[in-house]
Order: sequence, then C-alpha cells, then structure tokens
Amino acid sequence: AQRVTQPEKLLSVFKGAPVELKCNYSYSGSPELFWYVQYSRQRLQLLLRHISRESIKGFTADLNKGETSFHLKKPFAQEEDSAMYYCALSGLWGSGNTGKLIFGQGTTLQVKP
Amino acid sequence: DADVTQTPRNRITKTGKRIMLECSQTKGHDRMYWYRQDPGLGLRLIYYSFDVKDINKGEISDGYSVSRQAQAKFSLSLESAIPNQTALYFCATSDLAGAVTGELFFGEGSRLTVL
Repeated sequence: AQRVTQPEKLLSVFKGAPVELKCNYSYSGSPELFWYVQYSRQRLQLLLRHISRESIKGFTADLNKGETSFHLKKPFAQEEDSAMYYCALSGLWGSGNTGKLIFGQGTTLQVKP
Repeated sequence: DADVTQTPRNRITKTGKRIMLECSQTKGHDRMYWYRQDPGLGLRLIYYSFDVKDINKGEISDGYSVSRQAQAKFSLSLESAIPNQTALYFCATSDLAGAVTGELFFGEGSRLTVL
C-alpha cells in the first residue's frame, strides 16, 4: 500500500536553529517524492521535488531508499519558514500512478524569534 | 493567483442536504483533483480526472460524486451530507508536465461544516 507518514504534528524551533521535518514512505516500486508548503493565508504550493535535487529557500531533502525516508532539512531556520509542510508521493511516469499524489499528515513548523 | 477558483469558500449546512462544491481553472490543465484536509490526517484524494471523459475514484470516494463539465470545471457533490464530511476541501490541477514533475496547483479551499 502507498503511504506517507509524517510523525510530527508540530515542530517548534528557535530562529537560527537547524530544522528537520521527517517523512517516511511506503511504496511498492520507485516513487517520486515531493514537499509541499502552505504558508498562512496562502495556497498549498510545491516546495521541492527529489528528482530535481534542488535547494529551495535553503531547504533540501534527500531520498533515502534504504530507510524509505525523505526528510526536509534546513541548517538555519527563519521566522518566515513557519508554515504547514506536507510530504507527498507519486508513482513514476508510466506506472499508472503518475500525477496522483498521496500526502502525509502534515507537520506544522513554528519558528520562534 | 486566481488560476484555480473554488466556490463557495465557506458553507454551513445540515445533515442530509445536498451540497455542491465547484472548481474552475484558467490554467488550461487537463488534470483536476479533489482532496479533503482534516487535522491530523493531511490531504486525502477523493476523486481525480485526467480529462473530461476520464474520472477516477481516489482513496475516500464514498459519499461523494463528481462531474467534469468541461476541461476547466470540476464539481464535487455530497448527495446527502453527514457531519463527518465536515472538512476543508481543495481542488487542484496539473498538466501532463506537472503530472510527471508532481506539481499540482491548488485552489484556496472550501470549508464545509455539516451540522
């Protein structure tokens, strides 16, 4: 079964502290993993995808197939990072599951001044 | 960014009533989705449509139906609303490239309360 698990409902850190938002997945195949973010009063939007190996707003995420994890990290948190973060999974192109995202439960990141 | 528009934004209704949530998009995308968001459960897929003639059930389709009236419009109906359908509902779209890259574009959400 496809599943995305984000074990923390709330993560609270001080400004300048490192951040790691955890995401574990279950998928019978090779998935594509994504992080979406929802800032206050804004729409849910794509933050980054593992296939691009990009860093967005200082965030990075590495796909660890052995641990089936895709944790989101940032070395120094900023107050503007406060938001709800969702990890999501999709099947690879041609798998029949492409474009159908399965989301985790979400983690609220609170960065205190 | 008003490319994906949901109406109504808020609705309070009573058990047993029929409710329709509408979604329209000006992005020209073929693919449209309905998700519901519940605290602690995240977003769960209700229905999705890859084009006007292709509609598919998601994880939690029971109690819901959809209609893809045109490429730009995708409506979600609750034939007989019940309290556990109280949630925030999101419409999203993607094009073929988005389906490969995983980028969905979301509406602002429709908050439904069933009393």
